[in-house]
Amino acid sequence: AQSVTQPDIHITVSEGASLELRCNYSYGATPYLFWYVQSPGQGLQLLLKYFSGDTLVQGIKGFEAEFKRSQSSFNLRKPSVHWSDAAEYFCAVGAKGGDMRFGAGTRLTVKP
Amino acid sequence: DSGVTQTPKHLITATGQRVTLRCSPRSGDLSVYWYQQSLDQGLQFLIQYYNGEERAKGNILERFSAQQFPDLHSELNLSSLELGDSALYFCASSVGGGDGYTFGSGTRLTVV
Repeated sequence: AQSVTQPDIHITVSEGASLELRCNYSYGATPYLFWYVQSPGQGLQLLLKYFSGDTLVQGIKGFEAEFKRSQSSFNLRKPSVHWSDAAEYFCAVGAKGGDMRFGAGTRLTVKP
Repeated sequence: DSGVTQTPKHLITATGQRVTLRCSPRSGDLSVYWYQQSLDQGLQFLIQYYNGEERAKGNILERFSAQQFPDLHSELNLSSLELGDSALYFCASSVGGGDGYTFGSGTRLTVV
């Protein structure tokens, strides 16, 4: 069965600092991996996705993620965080054409 | 505007009642997914439809049902409502090829 673990419930970083949000997945086949962001009262917006190929993927808003098959991880990174990045971040795993399972989310707070 | 339309945005109803949530997918998307988001359960996959047919079922209660119509819009019916059903209900759509989902802004259901 597919599942996603986001070990960090809440992370606080200073504006301008680097960010890494952790994600570990369990999936029987080659996974489709995603990161979404949710601002308060909003729906989820796709940041980036990985299916195959280059294991470092670039997304919107300056985010990137690296797929590491040996560690079953798909961590999200950003070199310099902006106050507007404060939100909830969800990692998800799914299959082509199939449903997607989400992690519990990591809430990001940005200190001025 | 993500292209996925959910109505109503807010719904307050009493225990024991029945409600219908509506979703219009993004133009061209054949798959519709329903998710429930609550503080204690996170984002839970409920059900997926593809071109009118049920494709996958998640943690959907027997009191809940859904359907997708020929014009591809979908409805989620929740009956015999309980206080614990209070949550955000999201609809998402996709072409079906694994490109990730496009989420609507959700329906916030409050059961009193």
